[in-house]
Amino acid sequence: NAGVMQNPRHLVRRRGQEARLRCSPMKGHSHVYWYRQLPEEGLKFMVYLQKENIIDESGMPKERFSAEFPKEGPSILRIQQVVRGDSAAYFCASSPSATKYEQYFGPGTRLTVT
Amino acid sequence: AQTVTQSQPEMSVQEAETVTLSCTYDTSESDYYLFWYKQPPSRQMILVIRQEAYKQQNATENRFSVNFQKAAKSFSLKISDSQLGDAAMYFCAYRSNWGSNYKLTFGKGTLLTVNP
Repeated sequence: NAGVMQNPRHLVRRRGQEARLRCSPMKGHSHVYWYRQLPEEGLKFMVYLQKENIIDESGMPKERFSAEFPKEGPSILRIQQVVRGDSAAYFCASSPSATKYEQYFGPGTRLTVT
Repeated sequence: AQTVTQSQPEMSVQEAETVTLSCTYDTSESDYYLFWYKQPPSRQMILVIRQEAYKQQNATENRFSVNFQKAAKSFSLKISDSQLGDAAMYFCAYRSNWGSNYKLTFGKGTLLTVNP
């Protein structure tokens, strides 16, 4: 059973461009969480999605950031008009159900904004 | 809102010795989970150990064990017989078992160095 896949692993964008980060959960997992890790910091929750639904986006900046998890295909975290402060590692984690305690993490996408 | 505090930014231990990493948390809930995650230089987040708050017995996974003090809201990780491969950043995390969002709340981490 393949683990959580994230791509790209590294992404470089110029200020003002758009960044699209993809996350394919483990097979059979329909719950996805996105976290952001700034340099020298722990991971911070951004958004929680189930298939076709955003359950909680309280950790996501109101502007420029959006997330989706369509019925088919990976979950996408989209950052429009990136700024230097968006440079971070973005992790997604998946879980088979809402009540299952364990979240399985992907390897992360390191976004660098130049 | 829940908070997780790791007061030791860095720790070091000699190979084969024992080290304890500290974690405290703040919550008004009684039903929750606590976790220790390891993040090696590859940045992959690896679950080390988990503790269910309603279980009084401390969790153990091979060389890793926890000291869970619910009243004191303390959750420390003990690594016995430390190995070079244990060198990593260690994060303590909290997860509520109430409501519909089971997000993890992380501490800032402790960087563990293992000296040969």
